[in-house]
Amino acid sequence: GENVEQHPSTLSVQEGDSAVIKCTYSDSASNYFPWYKQELGKGPQLIIDIRSNVGEKKDQRIAVTLNKTAKHFSLHITETQPEDSAVYFCAASTSYGQNFVFGPGTRLSVLP
Amino acid sequence: GAVVSQHPSWVICKSGTSVKIECRSLDFQATTMFWYRQFPKQSLMLMATSNEGSKATYEQGVEKDKFLINHASLTLSTLTVTSAHPEDSSFYICSALLAGWQETQYFGPGTRLLVL
Repeated sequence: GENVEQHPSTLSVQEGDSAVIKCTYSDSASNYFPWYKQELGKGPQLIIDIRSNVGEKKDQRIAVTLNKTAKHFSLHITETQPEDSAVYFCAASTSYGQNFVFGPGTRLSVLP
Repeated sequence: GAVVSQHPSWVICKSGTSVKIECRSLDFQATTMFWYRQFPKQSLMLMATSNEGSKATYEQGVEKDKFLINHASLTLSTLTVTSAHPEDSSFYICSALLAGWQETQYFGPGTRLLVL
């Protein structure tokens, strides 16, 4: 089955700096890769996603890149703000919205 | 759009009692909903897939008689933890599948269950 690894497990950056979180997946059939942000005591919130026919997608300060050959995808957050502090989960799916396999999460701390 | 609610947001119960958690898609119909369990500082673990009008599909190791799932309408799925025990204490999160040309899951805010 699919296995998703995520690095780093924790990340601290200064406000205004960039943050990069990387995920690798094992199943070459995976075709959908969402990123979720989870604040303490809340449910995950979809922040950006990418499909296998696209190499990069950007939404304001957030971008995701996908390398299908290497089977990895990354989340890029620029100009980080304290409110970006949260746990970020990547996921991979072989059937778009179904069969999500989540990474273990990255705890991002943005220091003021 | 794509808002999912859960009720209750938290519940404390005595060991041996049953607890029902509701998951609703507020502004869209969801033929498929998912139930996850999350322990502190861990990732989300899928418990079961709930399909409207049919039996839920449970992941390996999840007791279907312990965690009863009902998806009676296109906007409501319920998870009942039967005869709850302290080890069932956890954060339960549902998600609903927004079907269409861009299918993806939208998550509810979660329900924290504490069994004494």
